[in-house]
Amino acid sequence: GEDVEQSLFLSVREGDSSVINCTYTDSSSTYLYWYKQEPGAGLQLLTYIFSNMDMKQDQRLTVLLNKKDKHLSLRIADTQTGDSAIYFCAVSNNAGNMLTFGGGTRLMVKP
Amino acid sequence: GAVVSQHPSWVICKSGTSVKIECRSLDFQATTMFWYRQFPKQSLMLMATSNEGSKATYEQGVEKDKFLINHASLTLSTLTVTSAHPEDSSFYICSAMHRGSPLHFGNGTRLTVT
Repeated sequence: GEDVEQSLFLSVREGDSSVINCTYTDSSSTYLYWYKQEPGAGLQLLTYIFSNMDMKQDQRLTVLLNKKDKHLSLRIADTQTGDSAIYFCAVSNNAGNMLTFGGGTRLMVKP
Repeated sequence: GAVVSQHPSWVICKSGTSVKIECRSLDFQATTMFWYRQFPKQSLMLMATSNEGSKATYEQGVEKDKFLINHASLTLSTLTVTSAHPEDSSFYICSAMHRGSPLHFGNGTRLTVT
């Protein structure tokens, strides 16, 4: 089955850019997602990208997809303390109806 | 705004009782709903997939008699934790999708069994 890997922890200073990385194994995945989870809360969909896209930008968020290397990244520009949370990468199957989640990356933003 | 509503957001129950959690899609008809469980500081674990009008498909290791799932309509799925025990205490999250749309999650239900 699909295997999705993320680094566990990232620490940045306020105002810097954050880059959270994710690798996956199933090349037939059609949708790739980034979710944000704050303590005690559910998952908030941040952005997603179709597998036929290389990049998607939405305000401070930039998603890059390298299909050849099966590598997905999320860049947060001008990171703020309110961005501190756990970020989950999730990859769908070919049909787009099942997700496999990475273990989550805890982002800590220092003032 | 929220497109998937989950209720209740937290519940405390006594051991041996049953608890029902509701998941509603607010502005779309969800052909498929998913139920996840999340332990502290861990990722989400898929428990079951629920398609409207049919029996849920449970992941390996998830007891279907303990975690009853009903997807009676295109906007509502329920998860009932039967005869709850302290080890069932966890954060339960539902998600819903319509064909071709991204997956949206509810805000989760924190269950504490005393």
